[in-house]
Amino acid sequence: DTEVTQTPKHLVMGMTNKKSLKCEQHMGHRAMYWYKQKAKKPPELMFVYSYEKLSINESVPSRFSPECPNSSLLNLHLHALQPEDSALYLCASSQIGQAPNYGYTFGSGTRLTVV
Amino acid sequence: KQEVTQIPAALSVPEGENLVLNCSFTDSAIYNLQWFRQDHGKGLTSLLLIQSSQREQTSGRLNASLDKSSGRSTLYIAASQPGDSATYLCAVKDPRRGSTLGRLYFGRGTQLTVWP
Repeated sequence: DTEVTQTPKHLVMGMTNKKSLKCEQHMGHRAMYWYKQKAKKPPELMFVYSYEKLSINESVPSRFSPECPNSSLLNLHLHALQPEDSALYLCASSQIGQAPNYGYTFGSGTRLTVV
Repeated sequence: KQEVTQIPAALSVPEGENLVLNCSFTDSAIYNLQWFRQDHGKGLTSLLLIQSSQREQTSGRLNASLDKSSGRSTLYIAASQPGDSATYLCAVKDPRRGSTLGRLYFGRGTQLTVWP
């Protein structure tokens, strides 16, 4: 299995809703990432998990809450979002080792629309 | 801070042409460089990964080169096809806080259209 699987593919939520995005990989990668991508822009890093622990938070608002229950799963819990949070949310994973030369594998993304 | 630039921003060509997409980066102290393809509204598909010690990588009709000292990479697409139409993103993995996790810096992409 060489894929990162994201669900759902599309999500429409109201500003008072609570929803979660899910990401799964079975490649044995111990680093997992959440990126946000707005139209015609490159992906922007949100969070990094290393060995199931949050290692980087790029000053993301608390209405986004990441969770890494185990080495294969990464969730992003959403609450009280704003319309400007509408974007494509991408999950990625990579190996960790002594040599920092591993590439990234990205999922197909969740298209989020906040109404 | 690392800055990645891709030229051209958009490219429209007839089927069968050989193409060159350019990527430049400001700090040559990179771990590696990765080329991705992104279809409209979809996720990123990795095309080629070039380590900092390598000069080029090939996969099928794709060839990517890396000149780390000058901060440049090119993606060469041979005999382009309509199915190659997509946005091509260049990303460099940069040292961050001494961690092997590094950090990925993206260019803004080249939007390629290949027409029949």
